[in-house]
Amino acid sequence: DAGVIQSPRHEVTEMGQEVTLRCKPISGHNSLFWYRQTMMRGLELLIYFNNNVPIDDSGMPEDRFSAKMPNASFSTLKIQPSEPRDSAVYFCASSLFASGVQNPHEQYFGPGTRLTVT
Amino acid sequence: GNSVTQMEGPVTLSEEAFLTINCTYTATGYPSLFWYVQYPGEGLQLLLKATKADDKGSNKGFEATYRKETTSFHLEKGSVQVSDSAVYFCALKSGGSYIPTFGRGTSLIVHP
Repeated sequence: DAGVIQSPRHEVTEMGQEVTLRCKPISGHNSLFWYRQTMMRGLELLIYFNNNVPIDDSGMPEDRFSAKMPNASFSTLKIQPSEPRDSAVYFCASSLFASGVQNPHEQYFGPGTRLTVT
Repeated sequence: GNSVTQMEGPVTLSEEAFLTINCTYTATGYPSLFWYVQYPGEGLQLLLKATKADDKGSNKGFEATYRKETTSFHLEKGSVQVSDSAVYFCALKSGGSYIPTFGRGTSLIVHP
């Protein structure tokens, strides 16, 4: 089975440019998460979708960041304009959340996109 | 709120040594507990899990037991290999929450 797919794997861009990261969750999963990982701050949750609807975006650092999930098989995280402090590895993860069911809801992570903003 | 505390790393061991990585948690109700592993250049992947008190999760020689009385979920392995070098994350998820809580991660370095 294909896991979570992210593209691109690496992105190098100049400050001020727009960056779009893409994610395809595991088929059948209804929850999608975007995380950012840095040495200084560790793993941070940016935003969470359930059934394509953003549920919690309190982790989005500022208005330069936006995320969409137009359908169950695709999500984007956009940074506009990008800044050097946005340099990090961005992960997408998906999960199957079913209320009322004994399900630990483990997450499945993609390989990440390493973003470098110069 | 929920929280997960892991021992500070890095943990440095020789091959075939015994491994323990401590994890304690604070949560409401009866959370599910997880260990994830992140190999260099990769995403996190589930290593093992336990869903109720006294459950033991195990995988690839790693084990962890859900101890409700001590709110702990320590990761152990009897004989580590160089290929176990990675970052290990303890995590929990309460039944009523969509969002898991992760620890800061513990780096393990195994020397030949």
